Amino acid sequence: EPEVTQTPSHQVTQMGQEVILRCVPISNHLYFYWYRQILGQKVEFLVSFYNNEISEKSEIFDDQFSVERPDGSNFTLKIRSTKLEDSAMYFCASRGDRGFFGEQFFGPGTRLTVL
Amino acid sequence: AQSVAQPEDQVNVAEGNPLTVKCTYSVSGNPYLFWYVQYPNRGLQFLLKYITGDNLVKGSYGFEAEFNKSQTSFHLKKPSALVSDSALYFCAVRDGNNDMRFGAGTRLTVKP
Repeated sequence: EPEVTQTPSHQVTQMGQEVILRCVPISNHLYFYWYRQILGQKVEFLVSFYNNEISEKSEIFDDQFSVERPDGSNFTLKIRSTKLEDSAMYFCASRGDRGFFGEQFFGPGTRLTVL
Repeated sequence: AQSVAQPEDQVNVAEGNPLTVKCTYSVSGNPYLFWYVQYPNRGLQFLLKYITGDNLVKGSYGFEAEFNKSQTSFHLKKPSALVSDSALYFCAVRDGNNDMRFGAGTRLTVKP
């Protein structure tokens, strides 16, 4: 069964450093998402991406964040200058072209630790 | 803006007993409701969704959910709980936008 994959599984970085989290969505999916989950808290929407552009973003997704689909398979989330409060689990998700009602499929997540 | 509320942080049930995990929603348009489950150190797995049609929706692993428009609820249910059902459960809603808003999650513990 196809699945969303994410690398790395755990990323440790120093405050102020740039990080890139990588995701490979399911191959025939067209809609891509990033969410984050601070330890023990709710899953929060960050951004959605379709047709090579951001379709929606939350208030969390400020100028420090960016997303890119550099090729036909990867979908990346970049944090330019990490802060301590960026420490969280980051989930990528994708959705196929089943109209609006298709469910999102989530990757296993990348745990980001900012020291 | 759309939102969901999961009023219980924790639900404890004995194995074999029925379980209910509660969710209420608030949307401006038609609600599109989802339940996801998260096992330890894993991503979210889709369980079921309500788009339109029958108010009782059946999903994976024997779970079902009942959509109640008058009470704006979408409670997750299972007739007979298993220890392996112990996990974190998230209710989510979309109301015409592309994104999805999740509830805070309910930790279900099923005891043998």
